[in-house]
Amino acid sequence: DAGVTQSPTHLIKTRGQQVTLRCSPKSGHDTVSWYQQALGQGPQFIFQYYEEEERQRGNFPDRFSGHQFPNYSSELNVNALLLGDSALYLCASSPRTGAYNEQFFGPGTRLTVL
Amino acid sequence: AQKITQTQPGMFVQEKEAVTLDCTYDTSDPSYGLFWYKQPSSGEMIFLIYQGSYDQQNATEGRYSLNFQKARKSANLVISASQLGDSAMYFCAMREGRRSSGDKLTFGTGTRLAVRP
Repeated sequence: DAGVTQSPTHLIKTRGQQVTLRCSPKSGHDTVSWYQQALGQGPQFIFQYYEEEERQRGNFPDRFSGHQFPNYSSELNVNALLLGDSALYLCASSPRTGAYNEQFFGPGTRLTVL
Repeated sequence: AQKITQTQPGMFVQEKEAVTLDCTYDTSDPSYGLFWYKQPSSGEMIFLIYQGSYDQQNATEGRYSLNFQKARKSANLVISASQLGDSAMYFCAMREGRRSSGDKLTFGTGTRLAVRP
């Protein structure tokens, strides 16, 4: 049973570019959340998707957008990259119904913006 | 006000001893869940333990237990018989509201634990 997977592992971009990160949830999970973790800080909630729609959003600008596909996998897109977007991007999956305590994270994508 | 407060930036513990990592939270919602995660240097967030606000007993998972004091709004993680592999960053997180309102987690700033041989 595969856990949450993310790709790519590492990414280097320059200011102004656009980036797409990908996440596949754990088997049996239909909800995907994205978090940004800057160096030395706790993760910050970006947004959450289920039923292919954005359901909750944190305090992030519109440059951050996402998508969920019918197979529950998800993408995070960031436009017009800034130096401050350099961070570890974590994806978490959970089941919409059932166990309250299931929220598992993937290994993350480390984004460096130069 | 901070929703999740972890006041210990770093801690040391001797191998085989127990250690308590502090976490206090702030919410007015009667329905919430508290999570603890371990983050090794590799970056992956590893789920350790969960406590629901309506759970009558403190949660336990192997060497991990959660000292849940609802009136004080604290949810401290206790690791018994520390191992060298326990050296990592530890985060406390909270999900507020009923499940139908979503799964957003709010994290604290973390505590870095170092286990000494």
